[in-house]
Amino acid sequence: NAGVTQTPKFRILKIGQSMTLQCTQDMNHNYMYWYRQDPGMGLKLIYYSVGAGITDKGEVPNGYNVSRSTTEDFPLRLELAAPSQTSVYFCASSYTDRSNQPQHFGDGTRLSIL
Amino acid sequence: AQSVTQPDIHITVSEGASLELRCNYSYGATPYLFWYVQSPGQGLQLLLKYFSGDTLVQGIKGFEAEFKRSQSSFNLRKPSVHWSDAAEYFCAVGPYSSASKIIFGSGTRLSIRP
Repeated sequence: NAGVTQTPKFRILKIGQSMTLQCTQDMNHNYMYWYRQDPGMGLKLIYYSVGAGITDKGEVPNGYNVSRSTTEDFPLRLELAAPSQTSVYFCASSYTDRSNQPQHFGDGTRLSIL
Repeated sequence: AQSVTQPDIHITVSEGASLELRCNYSYGATPYLFWYVQSPGQGLQLLLKYFSGDTLVQGIKGFEAEFKRSQSSFNLRKPSVHWSDAAEYFCAVGPYSSASKIIFGSGTRLSIRP
């Protein structure tokens, strides 16, 4: 079972460049999430989606955009990369948004902005 | 303010020894509490969760956690650690109603001494 798949695993960007982090899940989950994890910190929610066509901001949305055109895919876009966006990005999905339903995490994308 | 504190950044224990990872939280409502494990290069995996009922919760991989309301703590324990337990451990707290509002602690890195 693939679960949650993130691509790429690693990427180096120059300041001002743009890129899209891909996330796809094959569990038919309605809810999908994007987190960032900075060194020595817990995960911070960037954006989440409750279903195709519906997205909402999390705790740290500035500098990012998302879209959800299908149930399976939830890409995260950085338009103008900044050094502060150097982080590890995790995508997750769950069947519902209730806390008793576990979130399934991808393996992460390690992004460096130089 | 809602928060999760993991006071130990890094812990080293000998293989076969017992383990306790500390977690304290501040939360206004009835908390839903979680422990996640993150192995190197991978996403987070749920170890256990607690919402109500018996305050001693059993999880996967031989882990357990005890909820102590009077101390606002949810410490993770394992009687005998294995080398494969070396990983980063995250405590988290949130409402039952919305996983998108889960707050993660900054993590405790566990190293195992042969």
